Formats: sequence, structure tokens, C-alpha cells
Amino acid sequence: EAGVAQSPRYKIIEKRQSVAFWCNPISGHATLYWYQQILGQGPKLLIQFQNNGVVDDSQLPKDRFSAERLKGVDSTLKIQPAKLEDSAVYLCASSLGSGWGYEQYFGPGTRLTVT
Amino acid sequence: DAKTTQPPSMDCAEGRAANLPCNHSTISGNEYVYWYRQIHSQGPQYIIHGLKNNETNEMASLIITEDRKSSTLILPHATLRDTAVYYCIVRPNSGYSTLTFGKGTMLLVSP
Repeated sequence: EAGVAQSPRYKIIEKRQSVAFWCNPISGHATLYWYQQILGQGPKLLIQFQNNGVVDDSQLPKDRFSAERLKGVDSTLKIQPAKLEDSAVYLCASSLGSGWGYEQYFGPGTRLTVT
Repeated sequence: DAKTTQPPSMDCAEGRAANLPCNHSTISGNEYVYWYRQIHSQGPQYIIHGLKNNETNEMASLIITEDRKSSTLILPHATLRDTAVYYCIVRPNSGYSTLTFGKGTMLLVSP
């Protein structure tokens, strides 16, 4: 079974530039998550989708971050404009369902460096 | 904020059991204890979860105290590939409950 795919794996941009990350979840998984992991910390949930609808985006900085999940499959996370403090690993995860009992499967992440 | 407390780091010799503690003294009756681990440059990986009974699978065992205020993840025969950050997470069994990660425990398995 193929895992969660993410691209690119690494990205370096200057502050105030924009960047986009792509995620392809495991086939058949209805729920998709984006996490931000700053160096030395655990992942922090940014947004959760159930199919193509947003379930939770309470921790998404909506003035600069946006995410979409078209057709309930692939998803993109965008940052515009980027700040230095956005340097982090951005992890995508998926699960069969959104309830507590469903295991989340994580992708390898995209490491973003903002200079 | 994470509702768990874990030591920042632990060491273990290869082939020995690794016992990783977690304190969750404010856990509620409807909350499960989950463990994930994150190997360097990879995303977190699910290990095991439990409510109040001890659990075992092919990766590890989870021992939860009777009062449920603490738990221990046991890797019975640690290998070098078990070197990772281990996260203990308390998660309610309701609704769209999410994973709230703390800083975890960095386990270093040495030859």
C-alpha cells in the first residue's frame, strides 16, 4: 500500500515570497491533516479536512496560510507571504475517518527554510 | 497544550528493554493514551493506544496504571532502528478528536 506522498521535500525561499506544498493521501482516506513542526517541538495541527470540507482550522494563521482539498483527494497548503518564523517541517497525514479511533498515517514532510 | 509529561531524553542499550514513562495525571475518563514515534527525517508513526487495560502488539506493550495517571511504553528488545522521538498523547474518544503532540522523549539506542 502506497503511503502519504508529499512534495517538494525541501524548499528554500526568501521572506515575503509565497510557497505551496502538495499532498496526496492514501487511497480511500477521507480525512486529511496538515501539521507544522518547528525544530525541537512536536507537530501542531494546522487544518483538518473531511473529504473536501474543513473540519478544524482553528490554528491556521488565515492571514497568510490557506489550504484546499479539491475533489476530496489531493491537497495543497499555501503560505503567502512567508515570514522567518514559518521555517518548519510541514507534515501531511491522512486517515480512513475523522473519529478518534482512526489511525493517522503521516507523509515524510516538506522542510521549509525562510531566509 | 499537551496534557502529558515525558522526560526529554533516555538511553537504552541495544537488545535491552526500553521503558518510556509518561505522566497524564489530568486524564479524563473518556480519553485514551496514544503513542507515536518519529524517526529522524520521517513523519510520526502510530505505535499503540489504550484506555485502561494493558495492550500489546507487534511493536510494543503499553502499561497503564490502575488510576490511569501514568503509563509506560515498553519496547521489549530495542534495536538501533528504534532510535526516535516518542510521543505520548491523550486523546478523547469523541467527535473529531485530534492529536496534540508535546515535545516527546528522544530515545537513543546504542550498540
